[in-house]
Amino acid sequence: QFVLTQPPSVSAAPGEKVTISCSGRFSNIGNNYVSWFQQLPGTAPRLLIYDNNKRHSGIPDRFSGSKSGTSATLDISGLQTADEADFYCGAWDSTLNAVVFGGGTKLTVL
Amino acid sequence: QVQLLESGPGLVKPSETLSLSCNVSGVSISGDSWSWIRQSPGKGLEWIGYLYYTGSINYNPSLKARATISADKSQNQFSLTLRSVTAVDSAVYYCARALRGQLLRLDPWGQGTLVTVSS
Repeated sequence: QFVLTQPPSVSAAPGEKVTISCSGRFSNIGNNYVSWFQQLPGTAPRLLIYDNNKRHSGIPDRFSGSKSGTSATLDISGLQTADEADFYCGAWDSTLNAVVFGGGTKLTVL
Repeated sequence: QVQLLESGPGLVKPSETLSLSCNVSGVSISGDSWSWIRQSPGKGLEWIGYLYYTGSINYNPSLKARATISADKSQNQFSLTLRSVTAVDSAVYYCARALRGQLLRLDPWGQGTLVTVSS
């Protein structure tokens, strides 16, 4: 259903580290930049990471992004309960000529 | 501080036209690029289109036949028109700035406006 594939949910304890994956193909992640967005409950998404690994202004260094081949990863370290949110990856798809998003990953901080 | 605020009717009848505006404050729309994105209830994000600072516009091919994005520089706002709507067009519609003209460098976002398509 979604061009980019994310796990529906991840969970970890406060203080721990969690990794959220985003899998695509050459036409999107493999050949274009990836961004990551956080959507807190009841709010609009906000930009966390752009150009695969650049933190947006004001985003703490607990959040980091990386890309390898046709997959991208968002790492969140030192988890806080306030980090509980839905996370989305996005990229341009050169075949579809469209911005595509993943289906989102719900982070639960236990 | 750049702020975006969507406005428009919350209820649209099937087969009619949805019209939304995004009012921008804190920066001139002429100097940057802008996007519309929507999110169906409980679902993920769907990109609608992009107004580049040069004036060119790029649409999601799945919506291109029905969508029109335009700018009103005198009002410092840009708009979305979506024709022949059906229930699947019910969603929260967001506008966002594409920083430095980069499609995926979306910040800030408006708060979103919920549109329901129903008779």
